[in-house]
Amino acid sequence: DAKTTQPNSMESNEEEPVHLPCNHSTISGTDYIHWYRQLPSQGPEYVIHGLTSNVNNRMASLAIAEDRKSSTLILHRATLRDAAVYYCILRVSGGSNYKLTFGKGTLLTVNP
Amino acid sequence: GAGVSQSPSNKVTEKGKDVELRCDPISGHTALYWYRQSLGQGLEFLIYFQGNSAPDKSGLPSDRFSAERTGGSVSTLTIQRTQQEDSAVYLCASSIQSGLNNEKLFFGSGTQLSVL
Repeated sequence: DAKTTQPNSMESNEEEPVHLPCNHSTISGTDYIHWYRQLPSQGPEYVIHGLTSNVNNRMASLAIAEDRKSSTLILHRATLRDAAVYYCILRVSGGSNYKLTFGKGTLLTVNP
Repeated sequence: GAGVSQSPSNKVTEKGKDVELRCDPISGHTALYWYRQSLGQGLEFLIYFQGNSAPDKSGLPSDRFSAERTGGSVSTLTIQRTQQEDSAVYLCASSIQSGLNNEKLFFGSGTQLSVL
């Protein structure tokens, strides 16, 4: 299975940008990079996804390296509500691609 | 609109009892997933339903676990003869159509199962 590597935890201050890294060196050409986050006592929620180009939406931005072996989720101004576990996931093509593999993710702490 | 709904939100049971966990997916979503999350761990895939196709049960940890999806909508996860190691949060998700690797999953808030 295609695998991702994330730091166990990161810390940020409120209203500062946060860059959450993810390594996925075994990514294949048609694999999508997805990010989800899980707030305390909630199920995961979709944040953003991309294939090759950088992506922006109202929640975050996704910067994808040119070789696609790594990506960075960017929260432009962290708020206390952004404190969550962030999961970087590869959605592979074909086969059992519905079996998303959620690792332990990165626990983001936001300080007031 | 309504999201994925799971009930109960919390369930405490005694070892050896059977439990049923319910999931109401988003209307119109043909794909439904069950995951399990033990304390401090990532999500573990359990089972997947897509339309009228045979479900993928490959993630079910033992034959004490079963799930069904009636009428292509509501799903029930049943755990028979519960054990303490079954204690976890059981999460349900749904999506519009599976097979596309750019689609999004929508999760419920989960059922916290505690087996005493």
